[in-house]
Amino acid sequence: DSGVTQTPKHLITATGQRVTLRCSPRSGDLSVYWYQQSLDQGLQFLIHYYNGEERAKGNILERFSAQQFPDLHSELNLSSLELGDSALYFCASGAGVDTQYFGPGTRLTVL
Amino acid sequence: ILNVEQSPQSLHVQEGDSTNFTCSFPSSNFYALHWYRWETAKSPEALFVMTLNGDEKKKGRISATLNTKEGYSYLYIKGSQPEDSATYLCASRGYQKVTFGTGTKLQVIP
Repeated sequence: DSGVTQTPKHLITATGQRVTLRCSPRSGDLSVYWYQQSLDQGLQFLIHYYNGEERAKGNILERFSAQQFPDLHSELNLSSLELGDSALYFCASGAGVDTQYFGPGTRLTVL
Repeated sequence: ILNVEQSPQSLHVQEGDSTNFTCSFPSSNFYALHWYRWETAKSPEALFVMTLNGDEKKKGRISATLNTKEGYSYLYIKGSQPEDSATYLCASRGYQKVTFGTGTKLQVIP
């Protein structure tokens, strides 16, 4: 158990809908990273937050947004969902360039 | 090198054999190199993070080296065991981005 929690574990929704994925980092970690793993691709970096501020953006679509709250939990919002958004979404927490600790992931299925 | 590349893509070794994999990454704008072990149906588990050229890290039978000037890292497993079977991922962290390789899938045959 890495100490990073993600909810929900599984999410099934329809195209065009909007969902919110939640991540609670390990106690004391100020950084939260979001990643997407699609069936035919490796892990893709989406976005990094540090202590409430956006630090870096990767391959994140405009339909997706994220934020980190004062209690350091983070939410990833996915809107106007398409079939191709079906994937495993991981968050990871850490500090600086140190080790990132991955959560168990949220599996999103868009029908 | 523009992306993070790992080789080989997959590997089968006999129990007790030693093995190694390669991770190549862009040497410009380099901040840190991470290695992860990823078992099926689990989350990636951190093995090492290295930042300095010439860094060597060791954890039990697994060790890693880093060459930031030429942009590569090696992961070594000594005396492979069936429980070492997993996908080994490397990730290069630049100033802004984290880029993962596609991994080396290791199968250790008892």
